[in-house]
Amino acid sequence: EPEVTQTPSHQVTQMGQEVILRCVPISNHLYFYWYRQILGQKVEFLVSFYNNEISEKSEIFDDQFSVERPDGSNFTLKIRSTKLEDSAMYFCASGQGSSYQPQHFGDGTRLSIL
Amino acid sequence: AQTVTQSQPEMSVQEAETVTLSCTYDTSESDYYLFWYKQPPSRQMILVIRQEAYKQQNATENRFSVNFQKAAKSFSLKISDSQLGDAAMYFCAYFFYGGSQGNLIFGKGTKLSVKP
Repeated sequence: EPEVTQTPSHQVTQMGQEVILRCVPISNHLYFYWYRQILGQKVEFLVSFYNNEISEKSEIFDDQFSVERPDGSNFTLKIRSTKLEDSAMYFCASGQGSSYQPQHFGDGTRLSIL
Repeated sequence: AQTVTQSQPEMSVQEAETVTLSCTYDTSESDYYLFWYKQPPSRQMILVIRQEAYKQQNATENRFSVNFQKAAKSFSLKISDSQLGDAAMYFCAYFFYGGSQGNLIFGKGTKLSVKP
């Protein structure tokens, strides 16, 4: 069964540094998402992406965040100047773009900010 | 704004027994989707079961079934013949597709323990 692939599985970064989290969505999916889960808390929506642009974003997704689809397969989340509170699990998800949307999640990237 | 509430932070069940996890939600929409996701200690997010709000019939996937009460805005998950591998966090999630493409709204989760 096709899978959403995320790399790296764990990223440790110094506060203030830039990080790029990478995702390879399922190949025939058109809609892409990033979610965040701070340890012990619920999963929160960050941003959705379709047709090479952001469709929707939450209040969490401020100017330090950006997303990009640099080629036909990768979907990236960049955090420009990381803060301690950015430490979380980041999940990428993709969907087929119909109104029936069982989003498929990747295994997540655990981001630790020191 | 839509919200999802899981009122049971933790639940415990004996192996082979049945357990029900509760979820309520708030929405003014009539056509939407509801999901249960399982998150084991590895922290993957695994889709367990899904329900379309326009369908009256409750969804079933092997040992997993839901009790969907649209008027009450309730969406509980029943796990029958519980297995040790069912131990995980379970998240209820709501999805509305309209205007923009929408996004999942999650509850805070219920931690399920399975006793041998």
